[in-house]
Amino acid sequence: DQQVKQNSPSLSVQEGRISILNCDYTNSMFDYFLWYKKYPAEGPTFLISISSIKDKNEDGRFTVFLNKSAKHLSLHIVPSQPGDSAVYFCAARPGAQKLVFGQGTRLTINP
Amino acid sequence: DTGVSQNPRHKITKRGQNVTFRCDPISEHNRLYWYRQTLGQGPEFLTYFQNEAQLEKSRLLSDRFSAERPKGSFSTLEIQRTEQGDSAMYLCASSLERSGRPYEQYFGPGTRLTVT
Repeated sequence: DQQVKQNSPSLSVQEGRISILNCDYTNSMFDYFLWYKKYPAEGPTFLISISSIKDKNEDGRFTVFLNKSAKHLSLHIVPSQPGDSAVYFCAARPGAQKLVFGQGTRLTINP
Repeated sequence: DTGVSQNPRHKITKRGQNVTFRCDPISEHNRLYWYRQTLGQGPEFLTYFQNEAQLEKSRLLSDRFSAERPKGSFSTLEIQRTEQGDSAMYLCASSLERSGRPYEQYFGPGTRLTVT
């Protein structure tokens, strides 16, 4: 059972524009959500997180939005830069436990 | 650099052989996690330790897999009698957990295992 889903395997965005990556989850016990970025041959790098008691968290060019009623979160990157090209994983955790990851979305920023 | 380190970075082995991977977490982190990632998928949880105690194991972790974290520092993951289906990237992560407050998990570069 895929508890965390990223339905878009890939996304292509023009440099300077906004990138929006989406994630849906099914488990109501998830109370903390994270986004990771992964380059080839490297481990995932933590980007930004949000607690379930909030609906928005911002860090520089990255903003995560959480809609608990829809069990949906999104990552906004603005403005998008070529170095943002990578695979992005959404992850969730029920309390202080393991992370459950989505399948990932490959983001390509075009010059 | 005081990030999570993993050794070896790559391992090629023949089916039926045993392999062992090592993970050195960020020094002050009390939790250590092992994940496995196959092509086109996100990382899947295998097991985790709080200090030296192994607190949870996934059903993915068959009896051919064993993990240890002696003295609550580095950890090893051993796979006995490897099978081709064990070919994957094995990722280690660590975090600092206090009083149930969630902290981010920081990942190492991974060990890519290829079973021929």
